[in-house]
Amino acid sequence: DGGITQSPKYLFRKEGQNVTLSCEQNLNHDAMYWYRQDPGQGLRLIYYSQIVNDFQKGDIAEGYSVSREKKESFPLTVTSAQKNPTAFYLCASSTQGGPYEQYFGPGTRLTVT
Amino acid sequence: EDQVTQSPEALRLQEGESSSLNCSYTVSGLRGLFWYRQDPGKGPEFLFTLYSAGEEKEKERLKATLTKKESFLHITAPKPEDSATYLCAVDSNYQLIWGAGTKLIIKP
Repeated sequence: DGGITQSPKYLFRKEGQNVTLSCEQNLNHDAMYWYRQDPGQGLRLIYYSQIVNDFQKGDIAEGYSVSREKKESFPLTVTSAQKNPTAFYLCASSTQGGPYEQYFGPGTRLTVT
Repeated sequence: EDQVTQSPEALRLQEGESSSLNCSYTVSGLRGLFWYRQDPGKGPEFLFTLYSAGEEKEKERLKATLTKKESFLHITAPKPEDSATYLCAVDSNYQLIWGAGTKLIIKP
């Protein structure tokens, strides 16, 4: 079955700690995305990558970092510099070019206390 | 500024009561409009892509339409399992701009 996996589903961290969220896809998509979802708001783009070893900042990149060393993988690190990290994080992928629909993983709910 | 607005924020219907959800947009260059369904605690599930005014797409009880300023998601004779949040997104200059969603509740 082709799809996108995110792990873990729930993540709890203390303030001041960095945390890395995993995203893997086997859809052979070139483009991958990270979004943040907060109650009552639309999805906000954190980072995106259209090809291996290249990525671009989205609208809310401050306090986050990513890497794209393999086509299948696009991990997101939430650093201690992110002021309000508690949120639902969604990873997506799509065929490059477009406009093509994006396919989403199940999400990771991060709680920082 | 590019913007996508969905209305209403929430909609409660009785099972079998048809209605429509609205997605209005202001973007500099529309390349496509997407509808998604999202269940609580899960990732959005792709439903439709519309590319140009006048286009329509259907899937089971759902039908999406597009004009130059807005899109409608019509739901006909809904069932409780259609309860979810429906998201609209617009591709403008190769990035998706998302609405906040409409939470649809279908009561049996």
